Amino acid sequence: EVQLVQSGAEVKKPGESLKISCKTSGYSFTNYWIGWVRQMPGKGLEWMGIFYPGDSDTRYSPSFRGQVTISVDKSISTAYLQWSSLKTSDTAMYYCAREATTSRQQLDYWGQGTLVTVSS
Amino acid sequence: DIQMTQSPSSLSASVGDRVTFTCRASQSIGSYLNWYQQKPGKAPKLLIYAASSLQSGVPSRFSGSGSGTDFTLTVSSLQPEDFATYYCQQSYSTPRTFGQGTKLEIK
Repeated sequence: EVQLVQSGAEVKKPGESLKISCKTSGYSFTNYWIGWVRQMPGKGLEWMGIFYPGDSDTRYSPSFRGQVTISVDKSISTAYLQWSSLKTSDTAMYYCAREATTSRQQLDYWGQGTLVTVSS
Repeated sequence: DIQMTQSPSSLSASVGDRVTFTCRASQSIGSYLNWYQQKPGKAPKLLIYAASSLQSGVPSRFSGSGSGTDFTLTVSSLQPEDFATYYCQQSYSTPRTFGQGTKLEIK
C-alpha cells in the first residue's frame, strides 16, 4: 500500500528556519517524482515544485524558486521541504504528493498535510 | 506558465442533480488534465486523470472529457458526499498549475 506520511504541525517565528518531511512507503521511491503543494488559509492549491530521487532533477515553480528547497533522503524514502528564513506569508498547509509515471503525471497519492504557522 | 481557469467559482446544486464543471487552459495541453476533489480539512483526492480516465475507486458518476484547451468534469447524480471543492490541474509542462477551484455547495 502506497503511503505518504507528513511531519506534524509547526509554529515558528519570522526569520526562523524549518524543514518538514514526507515519509513514503509501499513503492519504489527513486522511480517517481515527488512534489509539494501549498494551500494558504481559505485559498486554492499552488504547485511548488517536484523532485526526482532517481537523478536529483528538481523543478520549481517560479513563484517558489529561491524561497524553498526540496530535497530527499533516498536511504529512508523521505522527501523534505525547507525554508531558511520564514515569513508570515508562509503560513499555510503544505502537502506532498507522488506524481505518477504512467499516463499523464497525475498526483495519485497525497500526504495528509503539514500546517505551518509563522507568527511573531 | 500555463494558466488554468475554472468556471464557475462556486455552484449550488441539490442531491440527484447533474452538474458540470469547466476548466480552460491558456494553451493546448492535449489530454494532460487532471481533476481533484478536496473536502474541508482533507488532502485533495485524484478523481480523473488524462482528461477522461477514472481513478481506481472513484464512483462512475464522475466523468471527464475534453482535449486541447477545454475540459469538463461531470457528476451525473450528486450524492451528499460530493459537496466539496474541485480543482483541475495541467501536467503538460512545469510548472504544473492548478485552476482556482470550483466550490460545490448544497442548494
